[in-house]
Amino acid sequence: AQSVTQLDSQVPVFEEAPVELRCNYSSSVSVYLFWYVQYPNQGLQLLLKYLSGSTLVESINGFEAEFNKSQTSFHLRKPSVHISDTAEYFCAVTRPDNTDKLIFGTGTRLQVFP
Amino acid sequence: NAGVMQNPRHLVRRRGQEARLRCSPMKGHSHVYWYRQLPEEGLKFMVYLQKENIIDESGMPKERFSAEFPKEGPSILRIQQVVRGDSAAYFCASSPTSGRTDTQYFGPGTRLTVL
Repeated sequence: AQSVTQLDSQVPVFEEAPVELRCNYSSSVSVYLFWYVQYPNQGLQLLLKYLSGSTLVESINGFEAEFNKSQTSFHLRKPSVHISDTAEYFCAVTRPDNTDKLIFGTGTRLQVFP
Repeated sequence: NAGVMQNPRHLVRRRGQEARLRCSPMKGHSHVYWYRQLPEEGLKFMVYLQKENIIDESGMPKERFSAEFPKEGPSILRIQQVVRGDSAAYFCASSPTSGRTDTQYFGPGTRLTVL
């Protein structure tokens, strides 16, 4: 069975500072990895995903995540955050041969202060 | 292309009543998934449906909860005799009928409050 751990429940940061949101997973088989973002009172939006190929994936709004198989991690980073990045961020995994069930972490609330 | 639509966005029920949550997948999507998000927690998988079929209901509570995805119309998540512990946000997601099905697209959710 797969599981996802997001150790940081909250990450406060000042605007224009860099940020890293940590995600570790546990699985005996290969996985697909996802980061979703949830703005207040809204649904989840896909931020980026790793399926195969290059271990570094990027989103259109400056976030990036790197798949590290040896450390079973998929940390999310942004070199300079904006106030508008304030949201809840969820890491999720699914098996390539069974993509019907996303397994989510408990989420990290990113709070960006001016 | 409209996104995944869910209604109502907010639903208030008294204990013992029934709650019906609707989900219309994106155009071209015939795979529907339901998730529940309890306060201060991540999303938990409930059920996966294709048109007229339940494929995986391993996350559904054994009693009071049911889901359907008829040939015509939206997918329905039904909760009978609601209790306070059912208060949560219920999210629906969909993925394409063909081609890559590895990414799920989420609706805005229905926030159920049981009084």
